[in-house]
Amino acid sequence: EVQLLESGGGLVQPGGSLRLSCAASGFTFSNYAMSWVRQAPGKGLEWVSAISGSGGSTYFADSVKGRFTISRDNSKNTLYLQMDSLRAEDTAVYYCAKTVATIEKLDYWGQGTLVTVSS
Amino acid sequence: QSVLTQPPSVSAAPGQKVTISCSGSSSNIGNNYVSWYQQLPGTAPKLLIYDNNKRPSGIPDRFSGSKSATSATLGITGLQTGDEAVYYCGTWDSSLSAVVFGGGTKLTVL
Repeated sequence: EVQLLESGGGLVQPGGSLRLSCAASGFTFSNYAMSWVRQAPGKGLEWVSAISGSGGSTYFADSVKGRFTISRDNSKNTLYLQMDSLRAEDTAVYYCAKTVATIEKLDYWGQGTLVTVSS
Repeated sequence: QSVLTQPPSVSAAPGQKVTISCSGSSSNIGNNYVSWYQQLPGTAPKLLIYDNNKRPSGIPDRFSGSKSATSATLGITGLQTGDEAVYYCGTWDSSLSAVVFGGGTKLTVL
């Protein structure tokens, strides 16, 4: 059974940093690209970033480019999202998601972790 | 403002059929596969349809997808109260080099 478990969310001040983790199990982690998708309170889905199975290719939404970094440790079956220079508009539930074949197909999602950026 | 356009809400009676549209452009829907996601209240999204019209295992055939030019449609037949959720379309945008989603459509089963 595929399981994705996010952690690392919390309250952070504007301009601060936070690192999210996503522990994966139930599939061969290194074979699949992974994505982060966020959802602001009461709003729709916004794709944030994706990384290839090897970690050699990364993709970012314009809204986070230059501030967020995505990485993975295939030996630990874990996906990361390093978030720097956080803004109030980054407040959201952050989901990690497994892709199938191509990165726009997200077949399994974690339960999400809440990030709140506020002073 | 989402790159893909969906109606904010649709409604229908139990047992009836409903369709949800998703409109885009040649840089996204027109040249890439479309996926559909269901988000039940308080839960994470779930993949319903991928590659325009394919269903993952476990998704009932009451759910269907289609695509024509720069638009896609999700169809749900035999509506149940348990289908009340927000539905999102998603695809790759070749110009933005990004995954894009519609704004979501809230389905109410009256």
